[in-house]
Amino acid sequence: DGGITQSPKYLFRKEGQNVTLSCEQNLNHDAMYWYRQDPGQGLRLIYYSQIVNDFQKGDIAEGYSVSREKKESFPLTVTSAQKNPTAFYLCASSVDRDYGYTFGSGTRLTVV
Amino acid sequence: GQQVMQIPQYQHVQEGEDFTTYCNSSTTLSNIQWYKQRPGGHPVFLIQLVKSGEVKKQKRLTFQFGEAKKNSSLHITATQTTDVGTYFCAGQGSGYALNFGKGTSLLVTP
Repeated sequence: DGGITQSPKYLFRKEGQNVTLSCEQNLNHDAMYWYRQDPGQGLRLIYYSQIVNDFQKGDIAEGYSVSREKKESFPLTVTSAQKNPTAFYLCASSVDRDYGYTFGSGTRLTVV
Repeated sequence: GQQVMQIPQYQHVQEGEDFTTYCNSSTTLSNIQWYKQRPGGHPVFLIQLVKSGEVKKQKRLTFQFGEAKKNSSLHITATQTTDVGTYFCAGQGSGYALNFGKGTSLLVTP
């Protein structure tokens, strides 16, 4: 079955450590996205990629980095520069702009 | 930048009552999409509206896109406990990615 896989589902890290969240899709979608979800805040865009080897900052990119070396993969690194990293992180993909998104099941990151 | 406002933030209904959530954008949209997120789950795409004044139905759910393409609504007739979750609208403006509203959390008690 086609879909998006995010791993791990739960992640705990100590403050000051970088951590990378995995996102893999087998839908053959060109576009991929990372959103952050906090209680009562909806979904806020961190980064997006329209095509391999290209990505753009979203509304809250500070303290995050991404890469898009393969069409199927769009990992997100949460760096120690991110002031409040504890959140629910959602990866999504779409055929292109103006198409519906398919979301992964998310990674819940807790930094202690 | 583009803002998408959604109201109400929460709604608690008795099973069988109707429910409506409203979405407003500060700018004209090329399309608007609706998603549902069950408690503990991830958002799932429900529908996309593209044309001015468009109305689409999915069983008990009715979606509308305003004439000016700046507002939208989702109406659920005769809610059921399976409708519980958070409903998000997401506007496609001039940027590449969707802008999501903060969502309306629906609680249905039997």
